[in-house]
Amino acid sequence: AQSVDQPDAHVTLSEGASLELRCSYSYSAAPYLFWYVQYPGQSLQFLLKYITGDTVVKGTKGFEAEFRKSNSSFNLKKSPAHWSDSAKYFCALEGLLFGGSNYKLTFGKGTLLTVTP
Amino acid sequence: GGIITQTPKFLIGQEGQKLTLKCQQNFNHDTMYWYRQDSGKGLRLIYYSITENDLQKGDLSEGYDASREKKSSFSLTVTSAQKNEMAVFLCASSIETGGVYYAEQFFGPGTRLTVL
Repeated sequence: AQSVDQPDAHVTLSEGASLELRCSYSYSAAPYLFWYVQYPGQSLQFLLKYITGDTVVKGTKGFEAEFRKSNSSFNLKKSPAHWSDSAKYFCALEGLLFGGSNYKLTFGKGTLLTVTP
Repeated sequence: GGIITQTPKFLIGQEGQKLTLKCQQNFNHDTMYWYRQDSGKGLRLIYYSITENDLQKGDLSEGYDASREKKSSFSLTVTSAQKNEMAVFLCASSIETGGVYYAEQFFGPGTRLTVL
């Protein structure tokens, strides 16, 4: 079984501050991890992914994420935050489906980020 | 680049009705997906298809049928709409990469379903 937990349903911070959105996962093998963003009224957009190698991965829009195997986390970071970063962020894990040969993406419930000007 | 289109944008149905949602992509991607997004929850996989005429069930397939008659299109049918049901259905596609699906997914704008 695989699961993703985003413990913070809502995060609010001021423009210029550093943001860190938390994500933890549970999976028995090497994980493939993703972050997606959903701006108000829009669909999901890919931000970045971790497959293997460097534990800090950089994505679009100035975001980066750090994979930590020791505590099964993949936190998203950006500094400084901008009001336009206000959106819902989803962490996702791609893992083997039902022990077979097909992979599937399991999403967390998302974190709604509000950046105040 | 490419685009995913979903029709209709808004779908209002009656309890017990059979409703069909359509998705088209011009990325020439092999794999297509249907997800359901409920308020306060993550996305849940309903069906996916790794090639034309292939169908694979996700976690939430009960109450739904799917059809992939062409590489570029993927349809989802709600077999019997449930009263007061409200959700957004998202279609996505991705390229297959050597049999391991760690390619990012591209999402359509969604179909918002309301059942009266």
